[in-house]
Amino acid sequence: EPEVTQTPSHQVTQMGQEVILRCVPISNHLYFYWYRQILGQKVEFLVSFYNNEISEKSEIFDDQFSVERPDGSNFTLKIRSTKLEDSAMYFCASSEGQAGGPNTGELFFGEGSRLTVL
Amino acid sequence: AQSVTQLDSQVPVFEEAPVELRCNYSSSVSVYLFWYVQYPNQGLQLLLKYLSGSTLVKGINGFEAEFNKSQTSFHLRKPSVHISDTAEYFCAVRKGAQKLVFGQGTRLTINP
Repeated sequence: EPEVTQTPSHQVTQMGQEVILRCVPISNHLYFYWYRQILGQKVEFLVSFYNNEISEKSEIFDDQFSVERPDGSNFTLKIRSTKLEDSAMYFCASSEGQAGGPNTGELFFGEGSRLTVL
Repeated sequence: AQSVTQLDSQVPVFEEAPVELRCNYSSSVSVYLFWYVQYPNQGLQLLLKYLSGSTLVKGINGFEAEFNKSQTSFHLRKPSVHISDTAEYFCAVRKGAQKLVFGQGTRLTINP
């Protein structure tokens, strides 16, 4: 069964360092997302990506964050200068993007990348 | 704006007892509702979804949910829980073309 894969599963970094989290979405999906979950809190939307550009972003997704689809398979989240409060589990997700289809709105999530900023 | 409220942050139940996890939504347009489960140290897995049609939706692992438009609710139920159901459960509503907005989550703990 196709799945979304994320690497690394856990990354520890020093405050101020750049971090890149990688995701391989399901191959025929058209929409890609990043969500984050700070420990003990709810899952929060960061950004959605379609047709090689950001389609929507939250107020959390400030200039420190960027996303890229560098090739036909990877989808990355970059945090330029990490802060302590960036420590969280980051989830990548993808969806078919066919509104009204049988999988309308269903997002398929990866297992997450845990980022710890020291 | 669409939002989701999960009224209970934690729900402890005994094994084989029934459980209901509550979810209320606010939306001014047609809604698409979802329940996701997060087992310890794992990602989010779809349990079930309501897009249209029958208001009673059956999902995986014996879970079901009922869409109630008049009460703006989408409560999750299971008639008899198992230890393996211990997890965090998230209700979500679709906002816009594809984005999901999640509730705060309900931690279900099954006691033997």
